[in-house]
Amino acid sequence: DAGVIQSPRHEVTEMGQEVTLRCKPISGHNSLFWYRQTMMRGLELLIYFNNNVPIDDSGMPEDRFSAKMPNASFSTLKIQPSEPRDSAVYFCASRALENPYEQYFGPGTRLTVT
Amino acid sequence: QKEVEQDPGPLSVPEGAIVSLNCTYSNSAFQYFMWYRQYSRKGPELLMYTYSSGNKEDGRFTAQVDKSSKYISLFIRDSQPSDSATYLCAMSASRPHMDTGRRALTFGSGTRLQVQP
Repeated sequence: DAGVIQSPRHEVTEMGQEVTLRCKPISGHNSLFWYRQTMMRGLELLIYFNNNVPIDDSGMPEDRFSAKMPNASFSTLKIQPSEPRDSAVYFCASRALENPYEQYFGPGTRLTVT
Repeated sequence: QKEVEQDPGPLSVPEGAIVSLNCTYSNSAFQYFMWYRQYSRKGPELLMYTYSSGNKEDGRFTAQVDKSSKYISLFIRDSQPSDSATYLCAMSASRPHMDTGRRALTFGSGTRLQVQP
């Protein structure tokens, strides 16, 4: 099992550019979560999906952020336009229905916006 | 004030020491409590979970919940250099698969632990 796969692992971009982060959850998992982690704010839930449907996006900071899950094996988090304060590590996690306590995290995407 | 508070550390201990990691919380509705471990440049991974109050033991790790004090702890016995990581507590008011709200899982900011050989 390859685990949760995220790409890219590192992204450096200039302010104003569009950034797209990608996630492939573990096969068979029905929930997918996007988190952002910074030293100041810790790990914050941005949005999560159950069976490809967004359940709660109230953690998305503002309209510049959007997330999609077109099918059970792929999700994207897009930031447009990006700003320096978006610099953080973005994690994707997935969870199986039969094991609700455990979220499996990907390795994260380290985003730097200059 | 944050809903979940955790001392960021770093906490530095010698190998073999007993480590105590703690979180306090303000939401009395929290019933499910989890501890995640995060190595540097990696995603968090679940260590243990408990429901309501009481203790749970798994090898060298013991999780303790005191709901009356809104306080949870993770104890590590015979700590090893390989235990050096950031430990995050997480909690939920509802059974995780029934999450429907913004606070599906609320994480603490993490305590960085260093075990010196």
